[in-house]
Amino acid sequence: EVQLVESGGGLVQPGGSLRLSCAASGFTFSSYDMHWVRQATGKGLEWVSAIGTAGDTYYPGSVKGRFTISRENAKNSLYLQMNSLRAGDTAVYYCATSIAADWAFDYWGQGTLVTVSS
Amino acid sequence: DIQMTQSPSSVSASVGDRVTITCRASQGISSWLAWYQQKPGKAPKLLIYAASSLQSGVPSRFSGSGSGTDFTLTISSLQPEDFATYYCQQANSFPPMYTFGQGTKLEIK
Repeated sequence: EVQLVESGGGLVQPGGSLRLSCAASGFTFSSYDMHWVRQATGKGLEWVSAIGTAGDTYYPGSVKGRFTISRENAKNSLYLQMNSLRAGDTAVYYCATSIAADWAFDYWGQGTLVTVSS
Repeated sequence: DIQMTQSPSSVSASVGDRVTITCRASQGISSWLAWYQQKPGKAPKLLIYAASSLQSGVPSRFSGSGSGTDFTLTISSLQPEDFATYYCQQANSFPPMYTFGQGTKLEIK
């Protein structure tokens, strides 16, 4: 059974940093692209970052230069290093992957809440 | 950047109704479109990928169509468990940007 379990969320002050983790199981982690998607309370979904199997990374303009996605295949783990955090980064952060549906995100974690506030 | 616009933003319907949600891309994306369902407090669930391919385990009352810039998600006969928010998502660009639409909330009439 595919499982994605996020951790590392919490309260952080504006300008601070936080590192999220996503533990993957039930599939060959190293063979699939991985993503982070966030959702502010009451708002829509926003794709935050992607990492390919070769370690290539992609970001939208809203987080480029502040967030860094990485993966550690030996530990079946995905990470998101978030720096220079702003109030607008407050959201539930999901990790997701594309296993059996072309590029679409067919498996998601339960999410971890990040709150940026003083 | 490619923008995705869904309409309507919200819709009220009754059990048994046929409902169609539209997603328009700001430029052509071929068939690089997916649809998701999200219920409160839950992660999104993939319904449709490649514009019209039904994800495994998803009921056949859900269908997707379109290509280029205009896409639709149709629910042929609404069931009580279908009341949720629906999102489209595109992936046709390089470097890849997996843009979501703003969502359509489907409510009980």
